[in-house]
Amino acid sequence: HSVLTQPPSVSAAPGQRVTISCSGSSSNIGNNYVSWYQQLPGTAPKLLIYENSQRPSGIPDRFSGSKSGTSATLGIAGLQTGDEAVYYCGTWDTSLSAVVFGGGTRLTVL
Amino acid sequence: QVQLVQSGPEVKKPGASVRISCKASGYTFTAYSTAWVRQAPGQGLEWMGWISAYNGNTKTAQNLQDRFTMTTDTSTSTAYMELRSLRSDDTAVYYCARDGATVATAHYDYWGQGTLVTVSS
Repeated sequence: HSVLTQPPSVSAAPGQRVTISCSGSSSNIGNNYVSWYQQLPGTAPKLLIYENSQRPSGIPDRFSGSKSGTSATLGIAGLQTGDEAVYYCGTWDTSLSAVVFGGGTRLTVL
Repeated sequence: QVQLVQSGPEVKKPGASVRISCKASGYTFTAYSTAWVRQAPGQGLEWMGWISAYNGNTKTAQNLQDRFTMTTDTSTSTAYMELRSLRSDDTAVYYCARDGATVATAHYDYWGQGTLVTVSS
Protein backbone atom coordinates (compact mmCIF):
# COMPACT_ATOMS: atom_id res chain seq x y z
CA HIS A 1 0.00 0.00 0.00
CA SER A 2 1.19 3.49 -0.86
CA VAL A 3 1.98 6.06 1.81
CA LEU A 4 -0.02 8.64 -0.14
CA THR A 5 -3.64 7.80 -0.96
CA GLN A 6 -5.17 8.61 -4.32
CA PRO A 7 -8.49 7.46 -5.81
CA PRO A 8 -7.87 4.61 -8.29
CA SER A 9 -9.86 6.28 -11.03
CA VAL A 10 -11.77 9.40 -11.97
CA SER A 11 -13.72 10.26 -15.10
CA ALA A 12 -15.33 13.26 -16.69
CA ALA A 13 -16.54 14.47 -20.06
CA PRO A 14 -14.46 16.53 -22.50
CA GLY A 15 -14.43 20.19 -21.55
CA GLN A 16 -15.29 19.49 -17.92
CA ARG A 17 -13.06 19.98 -14.89
CA VAL A 18 -11.83 17.16 -12.70
CA THR A 19 -9.91 17.05 -9.44
CA ILE A 20 -7.64 14.30 -8.13
CA SER A 21 -6.92 14.11 -4.42
CA CYS A 22 -3.79 12.94 -2.64
CA SER A 23 -3.99 12.31 1.08
CA GLY A 24 -1.03 11.92 3.40
CA SER A 25 0.15 12.88 6.84
CA SER A 26 2.17 15.47 8.71
CA SER A 27 5.37 13.57 7.95
CA ASN A 28 4.93 13.96 4.22
CA ILE A 29 2.38 16.30 2.59
CA GLY A 30 1.83 18.28 5.78
CA ASN A 31 5.39 19.57 5.87
CA ASN A 32 6.85 19.12 2.40
CA TYR A 33 6.25 20.22 -1.16
CA VAL A 34 4.01 18.10 -3.37
CA SER A 35 4.59 17.33 -7.04
CA TRP A 36 2.23 15.86 -9.61
CA TYR A 37 3.06 13.72 -12.61
CA GLN A 38 1.21 12.61 -15.72
CA GLN A 39 2.08 9.25 -17.22
CA LEU A 40 0.74 8.45 -20.66
CA PRO A 41 0.72 4.78 -21.67
CA GLY A 42 4.19 3.46 -22.40
CA THR A 43 5.97 6.70 -21.55
CA ALA A 44 7.97 8.14 -18.69
CA PRO A 45 6.21 10.30 -16.10
CA LYS A 46 6.04 14.00 -16.89
CA LEU A 47 6.19 16.69 -14.22
CA LEU A 48 2.99 18.75 -14.16
CA ILE A 49 3.17 20.56 -10.82
CA TYR A 50 5.96 21.15 -8.32
CA GLU A 51 6.13 22.98 -4.99
CA ASN A 52 2.39 22.32 -4.52
CA SER A 53 1.16 24.70 -7.20
CA GLN A 54 3.95 25.70 -9.60
CA ARG A 55 3.81 24.70 -13.24
CA PRO A 56 7.00 23.98 -15.21
CA SER A 57 7.50 25.85 -18.42
CA GLY A 58 5.28 24.42 -21.14
CA ILE A 59 2.58 23.03 -18.88
CA PRO A 60 -0.74 24.71 -19.74
CA ASP A 61 -2.63 26.58 -17.05
CA ARG A 62 -5.46 24.05 -17.38
CA PHE A 63 -3.42 22.12 -14.82
CA SER A 64 -3.39 23.46 -11.27
CA GLY A 65 -2.26 22.25 -7.89
CA SER A 66 -3.13 23.11 -4.32
CA LYS A 67 -2.38 21.87 -0.84
CA SER A 68 -4.23 22.14 2.42
CA GLY A 69 -2.97 20.51 5.58
CA THR A 70 -2.11 16.91 4.82
CA SER A 71 -3.89 16.73 1.46
CA ALA A 72 -3.13 17.96 -2.01
CA THR A 73 -5.28 18.31 -5.09
CA LEU A 74 -4.59 18.34 -8.80
CA GLY A 75 -7.14 20.13 -10.94
CA ILE A 76 -7.50 19.70 -14.69
CA ALA A 77 -9.83 22.07 -16.51
CA GLY A 78 -11.12 21.91 -20.06
CA LEU A 79 -10.54 18.16 -20.28
CA GLN A 80 -9.25 16.76 -23.54
CA THR A 81 -9.04 13.17 -24.71
CA GLY A 82 -5.26 13.57 -24.67
CA ASP A 83 -5.42 14.02 -20.90
CA GLU A 84 -6.30 10.35 -20.46
CA ALA A 85 -3.40 9.07 -18.38
CA VAL A 86 -2.39 7.96 -14.91
CA TYR A 87 -1.60 10.80 -12.50
CA TYR A 88 0.71 10.46 -9.51
CA CYS A 89 1.38 12.69 -6.54
CA GLY A 90 4.74 12.59 -4.81
CA THR A 91 6.55 14.21 -1.92
CA TRP A 92 9.28 13.74 0.65
CA ASP A 93 8.44 11.79 3.79
CA THR A 94 10.48 13.09 6.69
CA SER A 95 9.87 10.06 8.91
CA LEU A 96 10.78 7.54 6.22
CA SER A 97 13.57 9.75 4.87
CA ALA A 98 12.39 8.83 1.40
CA VAL A 99 10.41 10.12 -1.54
CA VAL A 100 6.92 8.63 -1.57
CA PHE A 101 4.36 8.45 -4.35
CA GLY A 102 0.64 7.88 -4.41
CA GLY A 103 -0.68 4.73 -6.04
CA GLY A 104 -1.82 6.66 -9.10
CA THR A 105 -5.19 7.75 -10.46
CA ARG A 106 -6.36 6.74 -13.91
CA LEU A 107 -8.23 9.55 -15.63
CA THR A 108 -10.79 8.61 -18.25
CA VAL A 109 -12.22 11.32 -20.48
CA LEU A 110 -15.60 9.97 -21.49
CA GLN B 1 17.68 20.80 -24.55
CA VAL B 2 17.87 18.60 -21.48
CA GLN B 3 18.05 14.90 -22.28
CA LEU B 4 18.57 11.78 -20.23
CA VAL B 5 19.32 8.71 -22.34
CA GLN B 6 19.35 5.34 -20.65
CA SER B 7 20.94 2.07 -21.65
CA GLY B 8 18.96 -0.70 -23.29
CA PRO B 9 16.77 -3.50 -21.94
CA GLU B 10 18.26 -6.26 -19.85
CA VAL B 11 17.30 -9.86 -19.16
CA LYS B 12 18.86 -11.34 -16.06
CA LYS B 13 18.64 -14.54 -14.07
CA PRO B 14 17.72 -14.50 -10.38
CA GLY B 15 20.75 -13.74 -8.24
CA ALA B 16 22.52 -11.78 -10.95
CA SER B 17 23.27 -8.05 -11.01
CA VAL B 18 22.24 -5.34 -13.44
CA ARG B 19 23.87 -2.00 -14.19
CA ILE B 20 21.98 0.76 -15.99
CA SER B 21 23.47 3.98 -17.32
CA CYS B 22 21.83 7.36 -17.72
CA LYS B 23 23.71 9.86 -19.91
CA ALA B 24 22.77 13.47 -19.34
CA SER B 25 23.09 16.35 -21.79
CA GLY B 26 21.87 19.90 -22.15
CA TYR B 27 22.68 21.06 -18.62
CA THR B 28 25.50 21.23 -16.08
CA PHE B 29 25.51 17.67 -14.78
CA THR B 30 27.17 18.50 -11.48
CA ALA B 31 24.57 21.12 -10.59
CA TYR B 32 21.78 18.56 -10.13
CA SER B 33 21.15 15.29 -8.36
CA THR B 34 19.96 12.25 -10.29
CA ALA B 35 17.16 10.10 -8.92
CA TRP B 36 16.21 6.54 -9.77
CA VAL B 37 12.58 5.42 -9.84
CA ARG B 38 11.23 2.04 -10.89
CA GLN B 39 7.85 0.80 -11.99
CA ALA B 40 6.85 -2.85 -11.93
CA PRO B 41 4.48 -4.00 -14.69
CA GLY B 42 1.05 -2.46 -14.17
CA GLN B 43 2.14 -0.90 -10.89
CA GLY B 44 2.90 2.56 -9.54
CA LEU B 45 6.13 4.47 -9.09
CA GLU B 46 8.69 3.36 -6.52
CA TRP B 47 11.50 5.70 -5.49
CA MET B 48 14.88 4.00 -5.23
CA GLY B 49 17.24 6.80 -4.32
CA TRP B 50 19.25 9.76 -5.51
CA ILE B 51 22.85 10.76 -5.95
CA SER B 52 24.41 14.18 -5.99
CA ALA B 53 26.59 14.58 -9.04
CA TYR B 54 28.35 17.43 -7.22
CA ASN B 55 29.75 15.49 -4.25
CA GLY B 56 28.59 11.89 -4.69
CA ASN B 57 26.32 11.94 -1.64
CA THR B 58 23.54 9.40 -1.88
CA LYS B 59 20.19 8.63 -0.32
CA THR B 60 18.75 5.15 -0.81
CA ALA B 61 15.35 3.65 -0.08
CA GLN B 62 15.59 1.57 3.05
CA ASN B 63 14.29 -1.61 1.41
CA LEU B 64 17.10 -1.50 -1.18
CA GLN B 65 20.06 -0.40 0.93
CA ASP B 66 21.76 -3.80 0.89
CA ARG B 67 21.51 -4.35 -2.88
CA PHE B 68 21.47 -0.96 -4.59
CA THR B 69 24.35 1.34 -5.53
CA MET B 70 24.41 4.62 -7.44
CA THR B 71 27.46 6.27 -8.95
CA THR B 72 28.24 9.09 -11.35
CA ASP B 73 30.98 9.78 -13.87
CA THR B 74 31.22 13.54 -14.16
CA SER B 75 33.69 13.29 -17.06
CA THR B 76 30.93 11.80 -19.23
CA SER B 77 27.88 13.28 -17.43
CA THR B 78 26.60 9.79 -16.79
CA ALA B 79 24.82 8.33 -13.79
CA TYR B 80 24.79 4.63 -13.07
CA MET B 81 22.74 2.35 -10.89
CA GLU B 82 23.50 -1.24 -9.95
CA LEU B 83 21.05 -3.64 -8.40
CA ARG B 84 22.42 -6.93 -7.08
CA SER B 85 20.93 -10.26 -6.05
CA LEU B 86 18.08 -9.79 -8.47
CA ARG B 87 14.73 -11.40 -7.76
CA SER B 88 11.69 -11.84 -9.94
CA ASP B 89 9.97 -8.93 -8.23
CA ASP B 90 12.77 -6.64 -9.43
CA THR B 91 11.29 -6.96 -12.92
CA ALA B 92 10.38 -3.38 -13.77
CA VAL B 93 11.07 -0.38 -15.91
CA TYR B 94 13.84 1.64 -14.29
CA TYR B 95 13.92 5.40 -14.81
CA CYS B 96 16.53 8.01 -14.05
CA ALA B 97 15.34 11.55 -13.48
CA ARG B 98 16.89 14.94 -12.86
CA ASP B 99 16.14 16.34 -9.44
CA GLY B 100 15.15 19.94 -10.09
CA ALA B 101 14.97 20.97 -6.44
CA THR B 102 17.52 22.01 -3.86
CA VAL B 103 15.46 20.62 -0.98
CA ALA B 104 14.23 17.09 -0.34
CA THR B 105 11.14 16.66 -2.46
CA ALA B 106 9.85 14.77 -5.49
CA HIS B 107 10.64 17.47 -8.04
CA TYR B 108 11.84 15.42 -10.99
CA ASP B 109 11.72 17.67 -14.01
CA TYR B 110 13.33 15.53 -16.71
CA TRP B 111 13.18 11.76 -17.08
CA GLY B 112 15.02 9.15 -19.07
CA GLN B 113 13.12 6.93 -21.46
CA GLY B 114 13.21 4.00 -19.06
CA THR B 115 15.06 0.67 -19.12
CA LEU B 116 13.15 -2.58 -18.87
CA VAL B 117 14.83 -5.13 -16.64
CA THR B 118 13.37 -8.63 -16.78
CA VAL B 119 14.44 -11.12 -14.13
CA SER B 120 13.61 -14.66 -15.13
CA SER B 121 15.14 -18.09 -14.87
